[in-house]
Amino acid sequence: ETGVTQTPRHLVMGMTNKKSLKCEQHLGHNAMYWYKQSAKKPLELMFVYNFKEQTENNSVPSRFSPECPNSSHLFLHLHTLQPEDSALYLCASRIQGGNTEAFFGQGTRLTVV
Amino acid sequence: AQKITQTQPGMFVQEKEAVTLDCTYDTSDQSYGLFWYKQPSSGEMIFLIYQGSYDEQNATEGRYSLNFQKARKSANLVISASQLGDSAMYFCAMREGHVQGSGNTGKLIFGQGTTLQVKP
Repeated sequence: ETGVTQTPRHLVMGMTNKKSLKCEQHLGHNAMYWYKQSAKKPLELMFVYNFKEQTENNSVPSRFSPECPNSSHLFLHLHTLQPEDSALYLCASRIQGGNTEAFFGQGTRLTVV
Repeated sequence: AQKITQTQPGMFVQEKEAVTLDCTYDTSDQSYGLFWYKQPSSGEMIFLIYQGSYDEQNATEGRYSLNFQKARKSANLVISASQLGDSAMYFCAMREGHVQGSGNTGKLIFGQGTTLQVKP
């Protein structure tokens, strides 16, 4: 247990569905991240939030919409996804600044059908 | 641009033996941090060890040690006395910049990973 909780753990959705992934941490961290892990590829950074403000969008398609209502919660809203969006989506958090490590959740394994 | 390279897609090691997982990196920054994470089949990324670019000594954490060779830009992970529970995917990652407020978002750049299987 790293203290970062992601729900759901598994999600199957159709291309016309709308769903949301949730990430929660009560570690007092002020930076939160979404990463995408596709098969046989390195983890790709999607979004970065520092102190609830989005500080990086790594050219992610608009069908992925992040939301950070407070420093403990991070959402990834999904709509009209494509089959190639099927992947493991990992959330991470850390204390911004310095050389602190990031703590990761267990991920949501998403399948788009 | 930053880059992390792990050239070993898969490795085998006998239980109780030591194994080295390779990692090379490329950066033009003078200040950076190097991390190793373990990812079991459950999916969670577990932090193992950290090495700062200005650290003169190699980092160690229990059975994990990092063989940091700055001139060669390599940061190999050494696992001693391998256990069956060490079977997992291992990722090397880099973060540029240690200075808070420098615009550094703290993002990690990951390598492709190495799958380690420990044989009984």
